[in-house]
Amino acid sequence: NAGVTQTPKFRILKIGQSMTLQCTQDMNHNYMYWYRQDPGMGLKLIYYSVGAGITDKGEVPNGYNVSRSTTEDFPLRLELAAPSQTSVYFCASSYDERGGGRGYTFGSGTRLTVV
Amino acid sequence: AQKITQTQPGMFVQEKEAVTLDCTYDTSDQSYGLFWYKQPSSGEMIFLIYQGSYDEQNATEGRYSLNFQKARKSANLVISASQLGDSAMYFCAMRENRRLANRDDKIIFGKGTRLHILP
Repeated sequence: NAGVTQTPKFRILKIGQSMTLQCTQDMNHNYMYWYRQDPGMGLKLIYYSVGAGITDKGEVPNGYNVSRSTTEDFPLRLELAAPSQTSVYFCASSYDERGGGRGYTFGSGTRLTVV
Repeated sequence: AQKITQTQPGMFVQEKEAVTLDCTYDTSDQSYGLFWYKQPSSGEMIFLIYQGSYDEQNATEGRYSLNFQKARKSANLVISASQLGDSAMYFCAMRENRRLANRDDKIIFGKGTRLHILP
């Protein structure tokens, strides 16, 4: 049981480049989330999804896009990378909106640097 | 308005001592959940403990316990007999239940407390 898998683990982008951060989970969770964590800070919600075909904005959605075509996958797209998007990105999932009393299951993170 | 407040940016504690990490929260909901996560230097987020707002007993998970004081909106994490491996960043988080729309349901994180355990 792999849990939540994120790829890549590290990436350096030039300003203006685009990329997709991949996230997949094998726990049949309906709910999936993307967070970013800036240095020395807590996590801020970018986008989330309550099921295939349904996505919603979180606290800091600008500069990002998501899609949820399957239950398993929830990719995060950066269209025009900016230095302000340098951060660690975490994908998470949960069985239901309550996290089953155990919160979310997190991926190992993607460390992105925009130069 | 900040929903989760962790007032201790950093703490130093001697090994084997107990440590309390503070967390206060702000919500108008009657039903909500409180979580603590640990983030070691390797970066992963590790779930530690959960407390539901209607739970009468304080949650415990091994050496971790949550000191839940509902009237004060406080959810402090207590680690007994601290170990060197407890050195990490600790995040308090809250999930509010939105009765009208489940789509609004999500977990909000505090800014964290960095705990250093000294040998």
